[in-house]
Amino acid sequence: EIVLTQSPGTLSLSPGERATLSCRASQRVSSSYLAWYQQKPGQAPRLIINGASTRANGIPDRFSGSGSGTDFTLTISRLEPEDFAVYYCQQFGGALPYTFGQGTKLEIK
Amino acid sequence: EVQLVQSGAEVKKPGESLKIACHGSGDSFINSWVGWVRQMPGKGLESMGFIYPGDSDTRYSPSFQGQVTISFDKSNRTAFLQWSSLKASDTAMYYCARSPTVATPPDDAFDLWGQGTMVTVSS
Repeated sequence: EIVLTQSPGTLSLSPGERATLSCRASQRVSSSYLAWYQQKPGQAPRLIINGASTRANGIPDRFSGSGSGTDFTLTISRLEPEDFAVYYCQQFGGALPYTFGQGTKLEIK
Repeated sequence: EVQLVQSGAEVKKPGESLKIACHGSGDSFINSWVGWVRQMPGKGLESMGFIYPGDSDTRYSPSFQGQVTISFDKSNRTAFLQWSSLKASDTAMYYCARSPTVATPPDDAFDLWGQGTMVTVSS
């Protein structure tokens, strides 16, 4: 099973600042099979990045993804109030289980 | 509008059976797999398994194999997740979600999610 470790666990920033979230895999993950999701309280997760760097439909360009191999990054260039949420990375496309990271909570400072 | 609509919250006792549903509007499930994801209270996301509505090919994550059953009703465009004997540890929010790929096993992210079904198991 591929274990995804996200850091930091909690990130406290102010609107307008830049957020950098990390996702590290216990073994190599194809970039095609790495996604990021956003989850707000009381809501279902929403896909924001697929294939490590492709924004999903309707996702603003302040969100970007990068990385390869075992290290992946989600960057939010200028935080908007609606961006404060929990973010999960996920790997898929090979043997099950398709695992998620434990999440990074992005909170308002 | 393409959407996944799940059945309502359930409160059950340990040992009881349960089947929850996920209905897809329009072409939600065409050329796609349907997955189920568990989120225990205050915790992260866990992928439980998938079903391909076209032929009911079903794949389970090892932790959930034998613990739940995933099925699909083509006539009603509805996916199901069921338990034969619930435990308190099954208390969680359960989401269905679509992976828009025909590859086996599925090789795409979850691009469409249901609103979730809260299952509470308590004596």
